[in-house]
Amino acid sequence: ELKVEQNPLFLSMQEGKNYTIYCNYSTTSDRLYWYRQDPGKSLESLFVLLSNGAVKQEGRLMASLDTKARLSTLHITAAVHDLSATYFCAPTYAGSNYKLTFGKGTLLTVNP
Amino acid sequence: DTGVSQDPRHKITKRGQNVTFRCDPISEHNRLYWYRQTLGQGPEFLTYFQNEAQLEKSRLLSDRFSAERPKGSFSTLEIQRTEQGDSAMYLCASSPTGVNTGELFFGEGSRLTVL
Repeated sequence: ELKVEQNPLFLSMQEGKNYTIYCNYSTTSDRLYWYRQDPGKSLESLFVLLSNGAVKQEGRLMASLDTKARLSTLHITAAVHDLSATYFCAPTYAGSNYKLTFGKGTLLTVNP
Repeated sequence: DTGVSQDPRHKITKRGQNVTFRCDPISEHNRLYWYRQTLGQGPEFLTYFQNEAQLEKSRLLSDRFSAERPKGSFSTLEIQRTEQGDSAMYLCASSPTGVNTGELFFGEGSRLTVL
């Protein structure tokens, strides 16, 4: 059974600072998703990482995947208040019908 | 709008009543998933359809839960004899098969409150 651990679970940071969210998972995965969720809303897709060494960037967010280490990171550069949300990672693999296993999420609060 | 559509968006019901949620996936998406999310937690997998076939069900899906996708297009999730513990956001997601782009799209969710 695939288990996912995100850390930190809570992150309070100041605008302009950099930080990284870590996502560790327990078994082989061939793709990994990052989602953003605002309070009371559904999941917004940020990145899908399809191979070892994959790196994707969108604005102030950059995600990477190391399948050998079973680790993905979501790096935040020069945070702004609009990035405040909960971020989820979710690895998956073909043998699981590509169902997603989510971490508990990281609640990010960016303070002015 | 061609995204995943869910209905109703909010449902308040009394314990013991039955409720049904509908999901319309993106057109031509063969894969359809249902997830449940409670407050402060990540979504948990409930069930998976490929076309009209229900290929996987989570142990979370008790006998009171049933899901269908009769024509391989829209899907319904029914909860019978609701309990307060069923209160959650029910999320539907869809993706295509045969295209290795990894795209997976979620609907806006159906929030259930059981009083």
